[in-house]
Amino acid sequence: KNEVEQSPQNLTAQEGEFITINCSYSVGISALHWLQQHPGGGIVSLFMLSSGKKKHGRLIATINIQEKHSSLHITASHPRDSAVYICAVDYGGATNKLIFGTGTLLAVQP
Amino acid sequence: EPEVTQTPSHQVTQMGQEVILRCVPISNHLYFYWYRQILGQKVEFLVSFYNNEISEKSEIFDDQFSVERPDGSNFTLKIRSTKLEDSAMYFCASSLGRNNEQFFGPGTRLTVL
Repeated sequence: KNEVEQSPQNLTAQEGEFITINCSYSVGISALHWLQQHPGGGIVSLFMLSSGKKKHGRLIATINIQEKHSSLHITASHPRDSAVYICAVDYGGATNKLIFGTGTLLAVQP
Repeated sequence: EPEVTQTPSHQVTQMGQEVILRCVPISNHLYFYWYRQILGQKVEFLVSFYNNEISEKSEIFDDQFSVERPDGSNFTLKIRSTKLEDSAMYFCASSLGRNNEQFFGPGTRLTVL
């Protein structure tokens, strides 16, 4: 079964802390996506990666294909980073759907 | 910056009624998707659409659901006879190519009474 697991489910941090959210998946993928969902529901794509590492501002995403694992890091966290962070995978091939994880609810306190 | 738009933002309907959710994908994108998220649950894939036909659909996407690209800009999801369990947030997404980054709309919250 193609599963996407995220940890932790909930995370509370103090402003300025370094945050790591983890994602693991069960079978080989074409690409992994990190998405952000704010209260009110809208989904924003943060990263799409198939190998290595990507950085955008204070966000860093890494993926280890052999270990079937990805991490999303937030440096110098800020209350405005509070949101649900979702990992989703694309198995490629004939399919082009995304399989979503359950999300990590992040609350950054001032 | 181009974005995916969806209307309405919130739709309330009675069980058994038909609803049409509308999406305008990014204009040069070729692949279109519908996903849904039941409150408190993860986002689930419904259907993908390319070249005016469904390329893949999930088990959720039964005969009550249909999609259409009626005019080259809109992409619609129709639910023929809504059930209580269809209450969810429905997201439209589009991508330039297969296995490319998908851009999501703001969602339509469907409430079936």
